[in-house]
Amino acid sequence: ELKVEQNPLFLSMQEGKNYTIYCNYSTTSDRLYWYRQDPGKSLESLFVLLSNGAVKQEGRLMASLDTKARLSTLHITAAVHDLSATYFCAVDRWGNKLVFGAGTILRVKS
Amino acid sequence: DGGITQSPKYLFRKEGQNVTLSCEQNLNHDAMYWYRQDPGQGLRLIYYSQIVNDFQKGDIAEGYSVSREKKESFPLTVTSAQKNPTAFYLCASNRAGGLNSGANVLTFGAGSRLTVL
Repeated sequence: ELKVEQNPLFLSMQEGKNYTIYCNYSTTSDRLYWYRQDPGKSLESLFVLLSNGAVKQEGRLMASLDTKARLSTLHITAAVHDLSATYFCAVDRWGNKLVFGAGTILRVKS
Repeated sequence: DGGITQSPKYLFRKEGQNVTLSCEQNLNHDAMYWYRQDPGQGLRLIYYSQIVNDFQKGDIAEGYSVSREKKESFPLTVTSAQKNPTAFYLCASNRAGGLNSGANVLTFGAGSRLTVL
């Protein structure tokens, strides 16, 4: 059974600081997704990582995938308040189903 | 603009009642999905459908039912058999072939929040 674990589950950080969110998964997969969710809102796609070593960057966020370690990271550089949200990673599972992590609640304090 | 419309946004149910959540998409996507979100947990798959008139159970299908009579529509019924239905429900869709066809990113609706009184 595929399990996806994120840590930390809650992250409070100061503006301007850097931090990394980790996503570990238990079985082989070459496709990993990162989503953002604002409070009470839907999920918005951030990154799609399709192969080992893939790196994607958008603004202050950078995501990477290491399929051998079954690990993806979402790195936040010089955080700003607008990045406050919940971030989910999700992994493809055989049978056309995504398995989501529990989510990381990020709060950026000014 | 193309997207997914879920309704109602908020819904209250008395115990013993069935309720139906609507999900309509105009993205011409073949595959549609229903997820349940509870606080502190990731999204859990309830049902999914790859084509019209066909659907499969997800991980937590008990107490739920769906239909897929039209490509655009995938309503979810929360039955009285679902013992703990209070949650945030999200509908999603993606292109033909579902998640096995390359990077088929899910597009999500705005969600429906169901509360049992």
